[in-house]
Amino acid sequence: AAGVIQSPRHLIKEKRETATLKCYPIPRHDTVYWYQQGPGQDPQFLISFYEKMQSDKGSIPDRFSAQQFSDYHSELNMSSLELGDSALYFCASSPGETGELFFGEGSRLTVL
Amino acid sequence: GQQLNQSPQSMFIQEGEDVSMNCTSSSIFNTWLWYKQDPGEGPVLLIALYKAGELTSNGRLTAQFGITRKDSFLNISASIPSDVGIYFCAGRNYGGSQGNLIFGKGTKLSVKP
Repeated sequence: AAGVIQSPRHLIKEKRETATLKCYPIPRHDTVYWYQQGPGQDPQFLISFYEKMQSDKGSIPDRFSAQQFSDYHSELNMSSLELGDSALYFCASSPGETGELFFGEGSRLTVL
Repeated sequence: GQQLNQSPQSMFIQEGEDVSMNCTSSSIFNTWLWYKQDPGEGPVLLIALYKAGELTSNGRLTAQFGITRKDSFLNISASIPSDVGIYFCAGRNYGGSQGNLIFGKGTKLSVKP
């Protein structure tokens, strides 16, 4: 069965650079979520989209932005990167806002 | 904001033993989900619970949605080495701006052959 696809899997950036992560949800899933997970931490909710509109906002820094496109894929844009942004970034998708969340393999961002 | 208290933080058990972990919250949830995460991988959904009192099994895994809607437990029977990983509970409350999942801190399971 198709799963959530994230790219890139690994990304190395320097401080103050920008980065873009992409997420392709499971087919027919219309809701996408972004989570950030630091080493040894639980996933922290950043932002979610339902039918291409932002549906909920968590602890996403102002330096980050995201959107969901007409084909339901989503991109997380991170600017002015800081060392503390180094983490695993997970995308998850669900069928509707109340469905079960299925996670991708994650994108590991390292900021040097 | 809402927080989930997950315990124990870690477990080190012998292969074949049963495992039990739980999550509690001061808030009511509509949904409880249990995930397993291997290092560097994404969380994998194990069991989803939608009704208070619901008891659901998935192979050797059994989970229950507490009757008060503020807690859930996960049991693993006859553990095997591949059960090693971090188990997360996650709760969800619909309505308003709380449609996202809130995660517990995780239970790290180690299994000794």
